[in-house]
Parts: sequence; C-alpha cells; structure tokens
Amino acid sequence: DQQVKQNSPSLSVQEGRISILNCDYTNSMFDYFLWYKKYPAEGPTFLISISSIKDKNEDGRFTVFLNKSAKHLSLHIVPSQPGDSAVYFCAASARRLARGSQGNLIFGKGTKLSVKP
Amino acid sequence: GAVVSQHPSWVICKSGTSVKIECRSLDFQATTMFWYRQFPKQSLMLMATSNEGSKATYEQGVEKDKFLINHASLTLSTLTVTSAHPEDSSFYICSARVGQGDQVNQPQHFGDGTRLSIL
Repeated sequence: DQQVKQNSPSLSVQEGRISILNCDYTNSMFDYFLWYKKYPAEGPTFLISISSIKDKNEDGRFTVFLNKSAKHLSLHIVPSQPGDSAVYFCAASARRLARGSQGNLIFGKGTKLSVKP
Repeated sequence: GAVVSQHPSWVICKSGTSVKIECRSLDFQATTMFWYRQFPKQSLMLMATSNEGSKATYEQGVEKDKFLINHASLTLSTLTVTSAHPEDSSFYICSARVGQGDQVNQPQHFGDGTRLSIL
C-alpha cells in the first residue's frame, strides 16, 4: 500500500510557464514533507521541505504548498526553465512510524518534468 | 554544503562475488545514514537505517545477512552485498542526515548512487 502517491508519471510545460507537481499521502502521522529532484545516474538533490505546522514554504522559484485536510502537497516552479527538466520525488516522514523508525523517508514514484524551450 | 559521496558509481561482477559500497558525508557529521534501493520506474525503497556505533535497523523483507551495514564513524557507512546474485542487480543509493539522532525533521542528502550489475 503506497503511502505517498504521485499520480502523474510525467508533465510537460513550456519554458517560462508554471510547473505544478502534485503529491498525495495517506498516513496522517507524516509531519515533514520534502521534494527532491533527480537527474539520470545521479542521486536525488534536496529542493525544499515543509513542516506540517505550515501550509506554504517558498525558496526562490520553488514553492511548496501543504493541505493537511486533503493530505495533499504540491510543488510550484515558476518560471520553469529547461534545466528544471528532471524527475521530481515527493517524500514524507514522521517523528515516529509504526515500527518505531524515526525520520525515515517514504518516497513517491516520481514525476518526470519536461520543460520545453 | 551537505555533500555525500558514494563509491563506486558502477560495479559489474560475477555471481557469488561480494561487493562493498561506501557512503561518506564530506562536510558534515552524520549519526544516521540510510541505504535505499531503486528498481527501474519505481520509487526509492528504504533498505536499512545505519546508526553510528550501533547495529543497523533493517526494513521488513531485507536480509541483514545478505546486506551487511557498517557505520564505523560519523562520516562513513558501508553496505556490503554478500555473495551477490543477478537478482541483486539494482541501483543502490545512500543518504545522510544532518543533525543528531532526535533531529529527524532535517533533509536527507543523497549520494549519486551505485549501479550494481551481477552477471
């Protein structure tokens, strides 16, 4: 049972426009959410995170929105640039999960973003 | 800052060989490191949590005798795939978390991964 879901495997956006990547989760114990960007043959690179006490966090062109009641978060990239083309992973963690693990990240399957010039 | 180095990046070896993968935090100390595995078109799956100076915590279904983890210092964790077989072929990635054990709401920083191919 997937606890973190990214239902769109791919997204194509024109350069300069907004990219919106979505993520849903099922475990209400998650209290920390992260977005990672991954290029082929490289490890994920941390982009931005948000704690469950907030509903928005912004860092330059990247903004993450959290809707706890809907168990939904999204990453907005504006303006999108060709260099943003990559796979974006949503991840979630909790201070304590069922097996006592602290801070372990649960990843979605990723969304491949293509930004066309 | 927060650079994690993973070595080697690519390994091709014969079935039955044991393979060691190193994960180093270059500019910070990491009491906790994580080992993930990723199959094609799948998400990263946590294999084990490596704690400096103590035994690793393995996720359900991961054989601890197959995947030996050693976290001998605050900057180095190693994963050894013992007697590797073709089904162990995968992309293995480590990560390290900045901060001490109870500071769990900190991002993990990842190495570039190791592509393991067992012939």
